[in-house]
Amino acid sequence: AQKVTQAQTEISVVEKEDVTLDCVYETRDTTYYLFWYKQPPSGELVFLIRRNSFDEQNEISGRYSWNFQKSTSSFNFTITASQVVDSAVYFCALIWLNNDMRFGAGTRLTVKP
Amino acid sequence: GAGVSQSPRYKVAKRGQDVALRCDPISGHVSLFWYQQALGQGPEFLTYFQNEAQLDKSGLPSDRFFAERPEGSVSTLKIQRTQQEDSAVYLCASSLGAAQETQYFGPGTRLLVL
Repeated sequence: AQKVTQAQTEISVVEKEDVTLDCVYETRDTTYYLFWYKQPPSGELVFLIRRNSFDEQNEISGRYSWNFQKSTSSFNFTITASQVVDSAVYFCALIWLNNDMRFGAGTRLTVKP
Repeated sequence: GAGVSQSPRYKVAKRGQDVALRCDPISGHVSLFWYQQALGQGPEFLTYFQNEAQLDKSGLPSDRFFAERPEGSVSTLKIQRTQQEDSAVYLCASSLGAAQETQYFGPGTRLLVL
């Protein structure tokens, strides 16, 4: 089965705390792509990152960082020094050599001032 | 335009009515996707176009759902004889090339069937 699991339904933190959103995936394929999207209250999915299965190098973009580990089939997302504007639902997604991108159920992050 | 646009943003339909949802992808994007997002869940794939060709419609939940992209640009998702279970947000996305490239999403159409 090809699926994405985001076990954390909701997370609440206080501003400036670091927070990690977990993503675990299942796929039989060796070639696949992983994504993270942010969905703020306005509803539009905002692209954050795309990684392919052959590139396990971790990535940092400002306060955002991603840890891709094929050995554990995980692609976790960390926000450092969280801000109120980070409050949103975050989705992890997987696509392989097909057209059907599979999304996790999402993690709702609330950052309190 | 700069991004993917969808219209209408909100649609209320009586059960049994037909509805048509429009998607304008990013100019020049070859691939176009439709997703359905139920409340509190992640988007679920409905169908995929490469230019005007509908290459995958495996996610369409029933034959009441129909999508087209006749000129390889604008796409319309049509739902016939709407049912209450069709109530959801319908998201459109486009990507420059293949389906595995980054998909950019529109704001969605929120459909409520009464």
